[in-house]
Amino acid sequence: DIVLTQSPAILSLSPGERATLSCGASQSVSNNYLAWYQQKPGLAPRLLIYGASTRATGIPDRFSGSGSGTDFTLTISRLEPEDCAMYYCQQYGSSSFFGPGTKIDIK
Amino acid sequence: QVQLVESGGGVVQPGMSLRLSCVASGFTFSDYGMHWVRQAPGKGPEWVAVIWYDGSRRSYGDFVKGRFTISRDNSENTVFLHMESLRAEDTAFYYCARDPSLSPSYHFDHWGQGTLVTVSS
Repeated sequence: DIVLTQSPAILSLSPGERATLSCGASQSVSNNYLAWYQQKPGLAPRLLIYGASTRATGIPDRFSGSGSGTDFTLTISRLEPEDCAMYYCQQYGSSSFFGPGTKIDIK
Repeated sequence: QVQLVESGGGVVQPGMSLRLSCVASGFTFSDYGMHWVRQAPGKGPEWVAVIWYDGSRRSYGDFVKGRFTISRDNSENTVFLHMESLRAEDTAFYYCARDPSLSPSYHFDHWGQGTLVTVSS
């Protein structure tokens, strides 16, 4: 099984700042089948990015994904208060596994 | 718009069974693979099972070990998860989720609101 790690565990930033979230895989992710989800308290996860870098329908362009192989990044270019949430990466090249998540706090 | 509405969760004792349902609307249900994904309180999501668009194939997470069965009724736009021999560690929110592909790609573009399953004596 591919194990995902995410860093940092918690990111505390101010509105307008840039957020950089990392996701590492224990082995190369096939075809860069890596997705990012946002989850707010009490709600289901929402797909942000798939295929490592393709934004899902309706996702603002301040969210971007990059990376390949074993190292992936989600960048939020200008944080807004509503971006306060948990963010999970998921690899789906070999079955499906999620990382432990990064929590973004807005100061 | 796409809607997925789960039901059937509740409190059950260890060893008991439960059947979850998810009714879909807003899209052509028979064109999509469907998944169940669970999330224990305070933990990350965990993929449970997938069923192909026509019900011809199914696949499960390793932890299921023959205890769960996914099925679907395309005439009723509904996907089911039948769970047996439930354990305390199965306690979680259970979400149904749509796969964006005919042949499942194992990522999820729409999720339901979830139904809580609590396994406790």
